Amino acid sequence: DIQMTQSPSSLSASVGDRVTITCRASQDITNYLAWFQQKPGKAPKSLIYAASTLRSGVPSKFSGRGSGTDFTLTISSLQPEDFATYYCQQYNSYPRTFGQGTKVEIK
Amino acid sequence: EVQLVQSGAEVKKPGESLKVSCKGSGYSFSSYWIAWVRQKPGKGLEWMGIIHPDDSDTRYSPSFQGQVTILADKSISAAYLQWTSLKASDTAMYYCARQEWLSEAPDYWGQGTLVTVSS
Repeated sequence: DIQMTQSPSSLSASVGDRVTITCRASQDITNYLAWFQQKPGKAPKSLIYAASTLRSGVPSKFSGRGSGTDFTLTISSLQPEDFATYYCQQYNSYPRTFGQGTKVEIK
Repeated sequence: EVQLVQSGAEVKKPGESLKVSCKGSGYSFSSYWIAWVRQKPGKGLEWMGIIHPDDSDTRYSPSFQGQVTILADKSISAAYLQWTSLKASDTAMYYCARQEWLSEAPDYWGQGTLVTVSS
């Protein structure tokens, strides 16, 4: 299985901060990488696919970059509604695997 | 509006059987794959498997192969996750999610079904 490792596991940030989360794959997944946001008690929400393509309706403050094994999710200006846990997922091979999650908390 | 509506929370005893559902609306159900994802309390997301409702082509994660069965009934726009003998370790939230192609990531998710297995 491809291992997906996110860093950091959690972070504290203030409203307005720029935040970057890293996701590293244990082998080359080209750009078959998605990002999801999950708020407490809610289902995940799809943010980005193909490493950098925003889903319809996702605000442009979210951006994704990377290819191969190293990927990032950046939130350009953190807002109260962005405090959540973020997961990456590779869909290059089976089984699909997720990172362990990065919890973004209010400082 | 695309919607995936899952069946309600379940409380079961070890050894019991269970089938939870995911019903799609607002799109051509037979044209999209449905994936199932497990989330144990306080933990991360685990991909279980995926089915195409049109022909029931199914892929399982090795971790879940033989532990669950993924089914679909395109006539009623529903996908299912089935257990024949539940264990306490099956206690989790289960999500369904759709994707158009097998080589894609999900775009829409169901609201989740909480399954609690306790004696």
